[in-house]
Amino acid sequence: DTGVSQDPRHKITKRGQNVTFRCDPISEHNRLYWYRQTLGQGPEFLTYFQNEAQLEKSRLLSDRFSAERPKGSFSTLEIQRTEQGDSAMYLCASSVLQGRTEAFFGQGTRLTVV
Amino acid sequence: AQTVTQSQPEMSVQEAETVTLSCTYDTSESDYYLFWYKQPPSRQMILVIRQEAYKQQNATENRFSVNFQKAAKSFSLKISDSQLGDAAMYFCAYTGNTPLVFGKGTRLSVIA
Repeated sequence: DTGVSQDPRHKITKRGQNVTFRCDPISEHNRLYWYRQTLGQGPEFLTYFQNEAQLEKSRLLSDRFSAERPKGSFSTLEIQRTEQGDSAMYLCASSVLQGRTEAFFGQGTRLTVV
Repeated sequence: AQTVTQSQPEMSVQEAETVTLSCTYDTSESDYYLFWYKQPPSRQMILVIRQEAYKQQNATENRFSVNFQKAAKSFSLKISDSQLGDAAMYFCAYTGNTPLVFGKGTRLSVIA
């Protein structure tokens, strides 16, 4: 399977715990995006990377959120001290170039904070 | 900031009929791209169709076509000969110099 892969698919955690999600983009894609989607809403942009450089972060990305893409390949999104409001689907996408080609999405990680 | 508005939270269509989903957007950029994405219940987003703003010709992909009205900033999706597998959330999305911005989506039901 050469698509965008996300792990885990589902995560249930207690409030206050830290969680980390992983995204493996399509291998030749140098752009990687993180989005958050809550029920009944469209995806909201969180952050994106070009190779290993984090180029933009949304105001939605509080200090409890951090993302990395250390070698320009896979990326991790960590949420510290989780809150119930963090419950959502976290989507990862990758593309060759912004805008000129489509972004390919993974199946997402469903986070439930109890 | 760019915004994308989908004014139809839900739509339904009879199998084999045609349905049009609406989308409007707001931008001051002159060079941008518009997309329609489909998100079936399995939740993976799939690209349906893409339109480059500099192209006047409306994009077409098999049963899917768009009506792109640049001056009106309107980008509607027409699905012809609707099939049961078309049932999904449909998201309109915009990108110019920023990552994709999505609308809130339209849930399409297909009635057999």
